[in-house]
Amino acid sequence: NAGVIQTPRHKVTGKGQEATLWCEPISGHSAVFWYRQTIVQGLEFLTYFRNQAPIDDSGMPKERFSAQMPNQSHSTLKIQSTQPQDSAVYLCASSLNSNERLFFGHGTKLSVL
Amino acid sequence: GDQVEQSPSALSLHEGTGSALRCNFTTTMRAVQWFRKNSRGSLINLFYLASGTKENGRLKSAFDSKERYSTLHIRDAQLEDSGTYFCAAAASSGSWQLIFGSGTQLTVMP
Repeated sequence: NAGVIQTPRHKVTGKGQEATLWCEPISGHSAVFWYRQTIVQGLEFLTYFRNQAPIDDSGMPKERFSAQMPNQSHSTLKIQSTQPQDSAVYLCASSLNSNERLFFGHGTKLSVL
Repeated sequence: GDQVEQSPSALSLHEGTGSALRCNFTTTMRAVQWFRKNSRGSLINLFYLASGTKENGRLKSAFDSKERYSTLHIRDAQLEDSGTYFCAAAASSGSWQLIFGSGTQLTVMP
């Protein structure tokens, strides 16, 4: 069991560019979450999938952020027209179901210059 | 407002000693999880509690939903216990969103 795998570990983009972050949840886990961590805001919920279906994206900035889970083995978080304030560590997590222990990936550190 | 208040924000311990971290909740939570952020920046799941207490080695956690708090006790602290500890709770309303505390930076000194 390799745990939750996130790629890339670091990503640097220029302002206005697009960034796509990848997540491979633990095999067999039906719940997949995306969180964002900054020094100022701490850990913030972004979005949640259950059995690949989007359940809640209430934490997602509406205009430029989107997330998909095309199959049970991976999810993507896409940020269009990145802005410096998008700089953060983006964490993907999965659990067996939504009421179980949550396991986090190492995160992707996004730096928008 | 903030639903999870974690304290202390920073804690220094000498090896072999112990202490407790605490999270107070402003609303009823149905479960709490404790994590440690290790030196690589990864969040490691320490405990999941829906009630009562759990113990794992030198760590022990308790959760009282009615009294709206959870604690994490560390005994016989070792250097490798250093890191940032977070509690995270799920509200009883059935939400599966975890609300994180602000973290406790633990430093264990020789």
